[in-house]
Amino acid sequence: AQSVSQHNHHVILSEAASLELGCNYSYGGTVNLFWYVQYPGQHLQLLLKYFSGDPLVKGIKGFEAEFIKSKFSFNLRKPSVQWSDTAEYFCAVNRKSSYKLIFGSGTRLLVRP
Amino acid sequence: DTAVSQTPKYLVTQMGNDKSIKCEQNLGHDTMYWYKQDSKKFLKIMFSYNNKELIINETVPNRFSPKSPDKAHLNLHINSLELGDSAVYFCASSQKQGRGSTDTQYFGPGTRLTVL
Repeated sequence: AQSVSQHNHHVILSEAASLELGCNYSYGGTVNLFWYVQYPGQHLQLLLKYFSGDPLVKGIKGFEAEFIKSKFSFNLRKPSVQWSDTAEYFCAVNRKSSYKLIFGSGTRLLVRP
Repeated sequence: DTAVSQTPKYLVTQMGNDKSIKCEQNLGHDTMYWYKQDSKKFLKIMFSYNNKELIINETVPNRFSPKSPDKAHLNLHINSLELGDSAVYFCASSQKQGRGSTDTQYFGPGTRLTVL
């Protein structure tokens, strides 16, 4: 079965530190890839997505992600985090032939001022 | 100009009751979804409708019944509520992309259901 793994469950950083959150998926076919963010008490918002083309994708708020097909990975990065980036981050994948979006278990990021 | 809206935002009820959660989207999308987010923040799809037709029905107790009166609305009715149903329920919508696939899903604000 298709699955999505986020290996970092909790990450604590100081402001201005660099961030990289890992995401790996198990499906070998053609996929769409997403990163969503959920700020405390709020709904999920799309950070960025990859459907095709340039594997380095830029999203909102200075986030970017790189799709590495050979590694089945779609890691999220930000060069310098801010306190306001404190949130839960979810990686999600769906096969191009499917409506079903599979989520990873999420990574809780805490940025200390 | 809320894109995906849900009501109510909070729902507290007793075990055994029947309750409904409503979802509406004004994005013109033709596919809508219900997700359950448990206490550990894990998100799992429950149902999906495309143009009022059920296309995804995960392993969900049949006490949960989605209803889609039109493509802009997808309601979730839950019978005989149990303690384990306590969670945040998110509605989402997306536009169909090609055959059998979908574009980005946009999420509603969530409904926090607490069963006492």
